[in-house]
Amino acid sequence: EADIYQTPRYLVIGTGKKITLECSQTMGHDKMYWYQQDPGMELHLIHYSYGVNSTEKGDLSSESTVSRIRTEHFPLTLESARPSHTSQYLCASSGDIPPYEQYFGPGTRLTVT
Amino acid sequence: SQQGEEDPQALSIQEGENATMNCSYKTSINNLQWYRQNSGRGLVHLILIRSNEREKHSGRLRVTLDTSKKSSSLLITASRAADTASYFCATASGSARQLTFGSGTQLTVLP
Repeated sequence: EADIYQTPRYLVIGTGKKITLECSQTMGHDKMYWYQQDPGMELHLIHYSYGVNSTEKGDLSSESTVSRIRTEHFPLTLESARPSHTSQYLCASSGDIPPYEQYFGPGTRLTVT
Repeated sequence: SQQGEEDPQALSIQEGENATMNCSYKTSINNLQWYRQNSGRGLVHLILIRSNEREKHSGRLRVTLDTSKKSSSLLITASRAADTASYFCATASGSARQLTFGSGTQLTVLP
């Protein structure tokens, strides 16, 4: 079954640690996105990719980085986590044909202590 | 600045009543999409309306679009407790393959 997966679902980690949030999709989509969302608030695009070896920063400045070595995999990395990084991170993908409806993973809720 | 603004921010109704949520946006669009988010989960696509359409139906959902007023509304008829969630509008503009999301409406349907 085609789907989009995120791991871990919840992560509590100390300041200064390096973390990687995983996102994988089995739909063969070229386009993938990372959003940051604080509780009860809007989504902010922080990274996107339109294909392998293509990554761009989104509207919201983020200290995180992303990579796209394989079509199905779009991990997000924080080299040194800080309490200000505490948030929910949502991964999404969309197909190649307009109107580019997006499919979302379940999210990773990150807490940095 | 945020493309989409939604109102109300929160809405609480009784089961069986209709729920209406509104979305306003600032720039011209190709289409407008509505998504649903259950607490602590990802978003699920509900319905899409193109800029040349005025109304669209899907089951208990009815979406309208008024491009002259740059606004859209989502109506959920005969609401159920399971409809409790946050609802977001998202706009796609020009050739952009990105969506810009509104601030969301938190809907609570009381049994």
